[in-house]
Amino acid sequence: DQQVKQNSPSLSVQEGRISILNCDYTNSMFDYFLWYKKYPAEGPTFLISISSIKDKNEDGRFTVFLNKSAKHLSLHIVPSQPGDSAVYFCAATSNAGGTSYGKLTFGQGTILTVHP
Amino acid sequence: KAGVTQTPRYLIKTRGQQVTLSCSPISGHRSVSWYQQTPGQGLQFLFEYFSETQRNKGNFPGRFSGRQFSNSRSEMNVSTLELGDSALYLCASSTSSRGYTFGSGTRLTVV
Repeated sequence: DQQVKQNSPSLSVQEGRISILNCDYTNSMFDYFLWYKKYPAEGPTFLISISSIKDKNEDGRFTVFLNKSAKHLSLHIVPSQPGDSAVYFCAATSNAGGTSYGKLTFGQGTILTVHP
Repeated sequence: KAGVTQTPRYLIKTRGQQVTLSCSPISGHRSVSWYQQTPGQGLQFLFEYFSETQRNKGNFPGRFSGRQFSNSRSEMNVSTLELGDSALYLCASSTSSRGYTFGSGTRLTVV
């Protein structure tokens, strides 16, 4: 049972345009969501996060939107740059303790390619 | 401040052998989590240690084990290696459930 899903395996965008990466989740206990960027053979690098008490969080070119009723979040990158080309993972966690300790549940990732 | 350090970066082992991977968390971080990344299964949670105690465990066989030392460094052990254990093993350290910093990983190849 995949509790976090990124339904788009890949996304191709022109430099300077907006990149929108989407993520859906099914577990209502998730209360904190994170986006990571990853290059092959390296560890994920944290980009931005959002708590379930908010519906938007912004950091520079990156904005994450959370729609709790739809169990959907999205990452917007504006403007997109060639250096943004990487795999983007959505992850979710819960503050409920127990089986949530230290555990991020990841989506399958979306490969973003930004063309010059 | 130094990030999360994983050693070794690359490892080649033969089926049936065992392997130990090491993770040094960010100074002050007491929680260390381990993940396995494979092309088919993505990033999957193995286990989490906090103050030398395993608090959480993912859905992996008992061949996968770990421990944490008093200085928060953690090791992960896989016994009786199988070809399917070939993966990138990542550890992440944290001070809370709200911020996880990952290491660069150990690429394990089982032949």
